[in-house]
Amino acid sequence: DGGITQSPKYLFRKEGQNVTLSCEQNLNHDAMYWYRQDPGQGLRLIYYSQIVNDFQKGDIAEGYSVSREKKESFPLTVTSAQKNPTAFYLCASSDWGETDTQYFGPGTRLTVL
Amino acid sequence: AQTVTQSQPEMSVQEAETVTLSCTYDTSENNYYLFWYKQPPSRQMILVIRQEAYKQQNATENRFSVNFQKAAKSFSLKISDSQLGDTAMYFCAFIASGGGADGLTFGKGTHLIIQP
Repeated sequence: DGGITQSPKYLFRKEGQNVTLSCEQNLNHDAMYWYRQDPGQGLRLIYYSQIVNDFQKGDIAEGYSVSREKKESFPLTVTSAQKNPTAFYLCASSDWGETDTQYFGPGTRLTVL
Repeated sequence: AQTVTQSQPEMSVQEAETVTLSCTYDTSENNYYLFWYKQPPSRQMILVIRQEAYKQQNATENRFSVNFQKAAKSFSLKISDSQLGDTAMYFCAFIASGGGADGLTFGKGTHLIIQP
């Protein structure tokens, strides 16, 4: 089955710690994205990557970092510099430049203790 | 920059009724795509329907259809014969053609409740 997986489903972090959220896709999509969702709001773009070894900041990239070493994988690190990291994080991928349709993973709920 | 506005924070209808969710957007782009996504309590974002701006024909997917008015920058979603499983947050989203450049721009969502 083709799809997008995210792990873990729930993640707890102590203040001052870095944590990494995993995102893997087997849809053979070139583009991958990370979004953040807060209560009462739509999704906001953190980072995106159109090809391997290249990525661009989105609207709210401060306090986050990413890597794209493989086409299938786009991990997100939430650093201690992120002031309010408690949120729901969604990863997506798309056939960029074709239909531009993004498909989402099941999400990771990050809570700072 | 694009903006997407959903003016109905919450709607409630009876099962089997038809309901229309509103969405307006603002853009200077001529070629773009519009989407409706559904987010049930599981919080998985599920694609409901997609519309290409260059197509005049409104998209349909089974019980879901859109009313796309390009000049008015309006993109409403109609759900016919609503079912209990349609209860969810619904998000309208925009992306410029060929542009992962800014990702999807989302509205704030409409919470749709289907009453038995």
